[in-house]
Amino acid sequence: DVKVTQSSRYLVKRTGEKVFLECVQDMDHENMFWYRQDPGLGLRLIYFSYDVKMKEKGDIPEGYSVSREKKERFSLILESASTNQTSMYLCASLRTGNNSPLHFGNGTRLTVT
Amino acid sequence: AQTVTQSQPEMSVQEAETVTLSCTYDTSESNYYLFWYKQPPSRQMILVIRQEAYKQQNATENRFSVNFQKAAKSFSLKISDSQLGDTAMYFCAFMKPQGAQKLVFGQGTRLTINP
Repeated sequence: DVKVTQSSRYLVKRTGEKVFLECVQDMDHENMFWYRQDPGLGLRLIYFSYDVKMKEKGDIPEGYSVSREKKERFSLILESASTNQTSMYLCASLRTGNNSPLHFGNGTRLTVT
Repeated sequence: AQTVTQSQPEMSVQEAETVTLSCTYDTSESNYYLFWYKQPPSRQMILVIRQEAYKQQNATENRFSVNFQKAAKSFSLKISDSQLGDTAMYFCAFMKPQGAQKLVFGQGTRLTINP
């Protein structure tokens, strides 16, 4: 069974801090994603990666960057956290191929004060 | 760009009733995949059901079934004999079969099953 693990379930950071959200998957999936979940807005794609060291911007990349140095790990970086980045962050992975399901981590609820 | 719309922010039904969640989408693609995901209070996103656009037959998974209307770009989820454990956020999602395989999600519907 695919396991996607996010390093923190809850995180509280101060405005201006650099924040790292880590995600690891154990099924050798090529694709990994970072989504942000907000009430009334659903899940919005921040960044995704279809291979090691490859990344593409999603719909709301501003204020975020990502790193994928190894296939199993995809990190989301908030260079200078702001209060409007308080949200739920969901990592997901996907095997390339038709009709493959997306596998999610349990989410990190980030609060920026 | 594809968009997915869920017009019902919240729904509430009694246990054992049938409930239908609506979803519409916009795309110029002829082939694609549609999904319904469930997110219970535990926050773990769970795949409920998937549909391939080129298949005319509606997908079913036990008590869950879809009504896929390709011309109308509609993809509703029907839950029969609803159970307390069905209480969750439900998200409709769209994915193209080629190119960047990223999912586009709707806004979500919060479903509450009352005893």
